[in-house]
Amino acid sequence: KAGVTQTPRYLIKTRGQQVTLSCSPISGHRSVSWYQQTPGQGLQFLFEYFSETQRNKGNFPGRFSGRQFSNSRSEMNVSTLELGDSALYLCASSLAWGQGREQYFGPGTRLTVT
Amino acid sequence: AQSVTQPDIHITVSEGASLELRCNYSYGATPYLFWYVQSPGQGLQLLLKYFSGDTLVQGIKGFEAEFKRSQSSFNLRKPSVHWSDAAEYFCAVGGILTGGGNKLTFGTGTQLKVEL
Repeated sequence: KAGVTQTPRYLIKTRGQQVTLSCSPISGHRSVSWYQQTPGQGLQFLFEYFSETQRNKGNFPGRFSGRQFSNSRSEMNVSTLELGDSALYLCASSLAWGQGREQYFGPGTRLTVT
Repeated sequence: AQSVTQPDIHITVSEGASLELRCNYSYGATPYLFWYVQSPGQGLQLLLKYFSGDTLVQGIKGFEAEFKRSQSSFNLRKPSVHWSDAAEYFCAVGGILTGGGNKLTFGTGTQLKVEL
């Protein structure tokens, strides 16, 4: 069974631009979560989706948004990019939404903002 | 404050030596507990998890972890380290105590170096 896939793997953007990252969960998984990983802040939860609905949101500004499609694929969008948005963005999928279900992570999208 | 702590930022062990990575949590009750490993340029791989029951949990790649309620700890161990174990290890907590759903709160990670 194929794992979680994230596209693109690497991205370079300029400050002020916007970016969209894509995540395809493991086949049959219906929950998708997003995390930001930086050297300074570590791994931080962005949001999670289940059945096309955002179920939980981390402490990030409104510039960070996401959505989930009927096939469980998810996208996250960052508008008005700032230098501090440079990070590895990780997507994780789970079979369903609930208490501490196992999550399987993709390889991440490395975003560099210049 | 509620948190998960990994006191060791870097650990170096010789190949074949035993390993213990520390993790402590600070919540009002026992959250769900996880250990993940991240190799350079890769995502996170789940090593093992603890929800309830037996306090010694077996995982993949020969890792195990012991939950100690009295110490609020969930330390990861491996009897004999291989060079391929060099990576960054993250302890994480989940469940309703951390916001519910599948949300994970991660420790800051421990970078493991293995000397040949």
